[in-house]
Amino acid sequence: SAVISQKPSRDICQRGTSLTIQCQVDSQVTMMFWYRQQPGQSLTLIATANQGSEATYESGFVIDKFPISRPNLTFSTLTVSNMSPEDSSIYLCSVLTGGYTFGSGTRLTVV
Amino acid sequence: TQLLEQSPQFLSIQEGENLTVYCNSSSVFSSLQWYRQEPGEGPVLLVTVVTGGEVKKLKRLTFQFGDARKDSSLHITAAQPGDTGLYLCAGERDSNYQLIWGAGTKLIIKP
Repeated sequence: SAVISQKPSRDICQRGTSLTIQCQVDSQVTMMFWYRQQPGQSLTLIATANQGSEATYESGFVIDKFPISRPNLTFSTLTVSNMSPEDSSIYLCSVLTGGYTFGSGTRLTVV
Repeated sequence: TQLLEQSPQFLSIQEGENLTVYCNSSSVFSSLQWYRQEPGEGPVLLVTVVTGGEVKKLKRLTFQFGDARKDSSLHITAAQPGDTGLYLCAGERDSNYQLIWGAGTKLIIKP
C-alpha cells in the first residue's frame, strides 16, 4: 500500500486566516480524497481530487472555502480559507491503491 | 443518502472479554471495510470483505459480511489493551469509489 506524508500534523490559527495542508504520496495515484473528522467520530468526505481535473466537492463544501490543488499524481493540497472556530477539526487525505490509505491527519484549531 | 449504522458507539470492557461491533444498512455494498484508528493517526485498514457470507480472521479478530452484503460484524476474542482505538466500518458501492462511513466505535480495553 501507498505511504502518505501529511503536514502539518497540527496547527493553531487565527480566525480569518488560511491554512494549506499538504499530502505527498510515495507512488502515483489517480484518486485522492480529503476528509474532515471530529476527534473520536466518523469521517466526512470534503472532496475527491483527480489529477488533471477540477475537484468534486460534497454537499456542504465549496471550492471557495476549501480550494484543492492536484498538480501531479503524487501530491495534493487542501486549503482551509477564512477560517472560523467551526473549522477546528482533523483533516485527512486518503488515496486508493488497492485499499484505502490515509495520511496521519492535520489537527487544526482556530482561535 | 445511504446510511451505515454502526453500534455500539462506545464500549469499555475488561481485558480478556469478548466483544462484537456491528454495521448495518438497508443498502447493498460491493465491499465492506473495517479500519482502526489511534489518536494522532489516520485510519488503518484492517480487512476488506467482498463476498456475501464471507468470514475473515485476523488473529483474535473475526470479520463477517452478511449474506445479502448489507451488514457486517467485527468480533474480538480475549480483548487486550492494545486493541483500544476507534473502529470504523465503511461500505463501498459499485457506482463510485466513495466510501459510506459508519459512526465509529470507540473501544477501551482496561487492563
